[in-house]
Amino acid sequence: GQQLNQSPQSMFIQEGEDVSMNCTSSSIFNTWLWYKQDPGEGPVLLIALYKAGELTSNGRLTAQFGITRKDSFLNISASIPSDVGIYFCAGHFFGNEKLTFGTGTRLTIIP
Amino acid sequence: GAVVSQHPSRVICKSGTSVKIECRSLDFQATTMFWYRQFPKKSLMLMATSNEGSKATYEQGVEKDKFLINHASLTLSTLTVTSAHPEDSSFYICSARNSGGAGTQYFGPGTRLTVL
Repeated sequence: GQQLNQSPQSMFIQEGEDVSMNCTSSSIFNTWLWYKQDPGEGPVLLIALYKAGELTSNGRLTAQFGITRKDSFLNISASIPSDVGIYFCAGHFFGNEKLTFGTGTRLTIIP
Repeated sequence: GAVVSQHPSRVICKSGTSVKIECRSLDFQATTMFWYRQFPKKSLMLMATSNEGSKATYEQGVEKDKFLINHASLTLSTLTVTSAHPEDSSFYICSARNSGGAGTQYFGPGTRLTVL
């Protein structure tokens, strides 16, 4: 099945740094979602985006639904140790209840 | 709100046995639940869509006789891995789609299956 292209694959940053990751698709998406997964756990929803151009924040997290409907980004400001994990973008095609997942971005914080 | 539970969290079984995994939406009704499989360091791959009161819809390449899905109520779906083999060892995750609101999917904590 189709996957979303997510980049970067991994990030190694220092505590306090800002983080940016993005997702792109060759097809138009109706919704974009960002999830975080900790080891051995299921994904937890961070931000949901429903309209092209929408910019939404959740604490230190900010995500935007691209105008073309083919991309989205997630920013994390002032990273802290608990931000470590794998971040997945996901989206719905119009009229399709199934989620398509990105390949994931693994975030590691260097002491 | 929007809590999804899975049971068991971990299971180890012998090759040839069957294993049942439960997925429950605790504080909302879910007409649709989804079952995913995740290999180490990989993304989630959809296995099947489970609709309450009807047959599940399986993704291409997923054996429906191998992975039996039952969605008997608006809060419970079960996945049974029949005649499990070592290659079935994986992390299985369910999600439940909130019938109301925007229909967002909420994920369970996952079940680690190890087949010896």
